[in-house]
Amino acid sequence: AQSVTQLGSHVSVSEGALVLLRCNYSSSVPPYLFWYVQYPNQGLQLLLKYTSAATLVKGINGFEAEFKKSETSFHLTKPSAHMSDAAEYFCAVSPGGATNKLIFGTGTLLAVQP
Amino acid sequence: GAVVSQHPSWVICKSGTSVKIECRSLDFQATTMFWYRQFPKQSLMLMATSNEGSKATYEQGVEKDKFLINHASLTLSTLTVTSAHPEDSSFYICSARDPGVIDGYTFGSGTRLTVV
Repeated sequence: AQSVTQLGSHVSVSEGALVLLRCNYSSSVPPYLFWYVQYPNQGLQLLLKYTSAATLVKGINGFEAEFKKSETSFHLTKPSAHMSDAAEYFCAVSPGGATNKLIFGTGTLLAVQP
Repeated sequence: GAVVSQHPSWVICKSGTSVKIECRSLDFQATTMFWYRQFPKQSLMLMATSNEGSKATYEQGVEKDKFLINHASLTLSTLTVTSAHPEDSSFYICSARDPGVIDGYTFGSGTRLTVV
């Protein structure tokens, strides 16, 4: 079975500081991995995804993530936080294939302090 | 890019009534749609997978007679919460698979359901 674990339900950074949101996955098959952002009372917006191509994935809004098979990790980073980055972030895994469903982590709420 | 329209964005209903939520793919044909439920400050829990022209596949613990899913066309899936009760109050989000994109999932904007 596939699953993702997000370490840290709340992360607070200062504006301009590095953002690091952690995600570890468990999958019996090569996974597809995703990071989504959710603003209050809204749906999810895709930041980036890994689909077995380049291990370093660049996404929107300056975010990127690196797939590390040896560490079963897919951590999300951004060099310099903006106030507008404050939101809930979800890591998700899809086994691909016939099921095609996304399994979400518990989410990390990012707060950006001025 | 792919767009999924979800309506209504919020609804308040009386206990015992039914509520229908629509999810439409606007610029692509979605053979598969997913329905999620999200409690406050929690993650998204998959409720069911909706396949066009066939019965939905429900996740364990989800009452199929309470949460009716219909996927009658390639661009529309509906979720009907029947005989709603206050404990059904939640944020419901749909997602559609874009078959033209490798593992492309597009999410609707969500529906806030409050049962009073």
